[in-house]
Amino acid sequence: GAVVSQHPSRVICKSGTSVKIECRSLDFQATTMFWYRQFPKQSLMLMATSNEGSKATYEQGVEKDKFLINHASLTLSTLTVTSAHPEDSSFYICSASHPETQYFGPGTRLLVL
Amino acid sequence: QKEVEQNSGPLSVPEGAIASLNCTYSDRGSQSFFWYRQYSGKSPELIMFIYSNGDKEDGRFTAQLNKASQYVSLLIRDSQPSDSATYLCAVAQGAGGTSYGKLTFGQGTILTVHP
Repeated sequence: GAVVSQHPSRVICKSGTSVKIECRSLDFQATTMFWYRQFPKQSLMLMATSNEGSKATYEQGVEKDKFLINHASLTLSTLTVTSAHPEDSSFYICSASHPETQYFGPGTRLLVL
Repeated sequence: QKEVEQNSGPLSVPEGAIASLNCTYSDRGSQSFFWYRQYSGKSPELIMFIYSNGDKEDGRFTAQLNKASQYVSLLIRDSQPSDSATYLCAVAQGAGGTSYGKLTFGQGTILTVHP
């Protein structure tokens, strides 16, 4: 089946630092990848859509200068949280497009102290 | 605003029973519909998707779609304790795998299957 990996699975950082999260489609190529965020006891909220080789499209209310997305290849997208603050602590999940649906990575739990 | 609403939970059923999960959506332009299962602390895993009106069966799961009523449901037959999870309904305007297929999720329904 379609497998999507994320790295790291968990990260703890100090306020003001930047954190990079990688999302890879392991056994298929994904033209489009999506980044979601999930706060405790809430549903997933789409942050941005990234297409290989072009700029990401951000959802309303998501700061594009804070959440940098790069989709350099058909199997890799990265999300960098710049100058992270405690309110950025969340569960970040990527998904990769696959014919007819999306497959999700295992998620990255970010804790900003 | 595009909204997806799921029946409020939590839902508790005995082992072996049928669990019924419901979802309504507001955007009539929606084309594809998905059910995901999310265990606590984990990311969502796809159960099934449906595009056409009617029923779609996959093992113990049956998805039902009624576009006129803007309603999609998931039935789980012979429920098992391992089915205990949060079930997420998601809706997209286009095919789920393309950039048109941005998923809008419902708030989720917590299902507990007790032995």
